[in-house]
Amino acid sequence: EDKVVQSPLSLVVHEGDTVTLNCSYEVTNFRSLLWYKQEKKAPTFLFMLTSSGIEKKSGRLSSILDKKELFSILNITATQTGDSAVYLCAVPPGAGSYQLTFGKGTKLSVIP
Amino acid sequence: KAGVTQTPRYLIKTRGQQVTLSCSPISGHRSVSWYQQTPGQGLQFLFEYFSETQRNKGNFPGRFSGRQFSNSRSEMNVSTLELGDSALYLCASSLSGTIRTDTQYFGPGTRLTVL
Repeated sequence: EDKVVQSPLSLVVHEGDTVTLNCSYEVTNFRSLLWYKQEKKAPTFLFMLTSSGIEKKSGRLSSILDKKELFSILNITATQTGDSAVYLCAVPPGAGSYQLTFGKGTKLSVIP
Repeated sequence: KAGVTQTPRYLIKTRGQQVTLSCSPISGHRSVSWYQQTPGQGLQFLFEYFSETQRNKGNFPGRFSGRQFSNSRSEMNVSTLELGDSALYLCASSLSGTIRTDTQYFGPGTRLTVL
């Protein structure tokens, strides 16, 4: 059974701090890893990672995958209150379909 | 382009009743997936439909069922509701359900409370 573990479960930081969120996985036939941001209801897609060591970047957010050690990290630099959300990590089954296994998420709170 | 819409947004039912939730995917999207989100279990995959056929199914009892119509709109049904079915039910759509090529977009969810 595929498994995704995220840490920490929650995090409180001040505006301007840099945070690192972790996601480790066990997947029978790894294809990719996805990161989502969930602010209120609908998770929104952030990144999809398929290759080890290649950083994906979008503004202040970046993510990297280590396929040897089976983990990914999501970095947020110069955090803002608008970054407060639950960040979810997910993996699909070997077939590569959207039958995603999600981690429990990391709840990030950014205080002014 | 309109996003994924779900109706109703909130629902209160009592144990033993049944409920039907609706999801309209983004125009042109043919794959619709359903997820249940609870504080204890997080987001869990229920099932995925593509071209009116259930293509994948998660580990949920038979009380949970769904269907997809020819216009790609999807419904999910939960019969004989239990207290533990209280959750946020999220629907997501993508063009063909292939992660390698498609991005999946989530709807705002339906908050179901079972009393």
